[in-house]
Amino acid sequence: ELKVEQNPLFLSMQEGKNYTIYCNYSTTSDRLYWYRQDPGKSLESLFVLLSNGAVKQEGRLMASLDTKARLSTLHITAAVHDLSATYFCAVADLETSGSRLTFGEGTQLTVNP
Amino acid sequence: KAGVTQTPRYLIKTRGQQVTLSCSPISGHRSVSWYQQTPGQGLQFLFEYFSETQRNKGNFPGRFSGRQFSNSRSEMNVSTLELGDSALYLCASSLDVNQPQHFGDGTRLSIL
Repeated sequence: ELKVEQNPLFLSMQEGKNYTIYCNYSTTSDRLYWYRQDPGKSLESLFVLLSNGAVKQEGRLMASLDTKARLSTLHITAAVHDLSATYFCAVADLETSGSRLTFGEGTQLTVNP
Repeated sequence: KAGVTQTPRYLIKTRGQQVTLSCSPISGHRSVSWYQQTPGQGLQFLFEYFSETQRNKGNFPGRFSGRQFSNSRSEMNVSTLELGDSALYLCASSLDVNQPQHFGDGTRLSIL
């Protein structure tokens, strides 16, 4: 059974600082997604990572995937308050066809002025 | 382009009742997945439909069922509701397996 673990689960940081969220998963996969969720809202797609070594960047967020280590990272550069949200990674299980995703527990990020 | 539409947004039911939730995917998307989100269990996969066929199923009891229509719209049904079924139910659609899933705003179901 595919398991996905994120850490940290809670992250409080100051504006302007850098930090990384880690996503580890237990079985082979080459499809990993990052989502953002604001309180009371739905999930917003941030990145789709489809191969080993994939790196995607959007604004102050950069995501990468190492399929050999079964690890993805979401790096935050010079954080701003607007980035406060919960971030989820989700992994597709290669043993099943289709779009079944297993989500991590989520990282609740708070950026303080 | 319209996003994923879920109705209703909020629902209050009592134990033992049944409920049907609806999801209209983004135009052109044939894959529709359903997820349950609770504070204790997080986001859990319920099932996925593709071209009116259930392609994947999560570890939920048979009280949870779904279907997809020829226009790709999907419904999810929960029978004999239990208190633990209180959750945010999210529907997501995608173009194919290597594309991101786009989520609707969800239906918040409360069981009294």
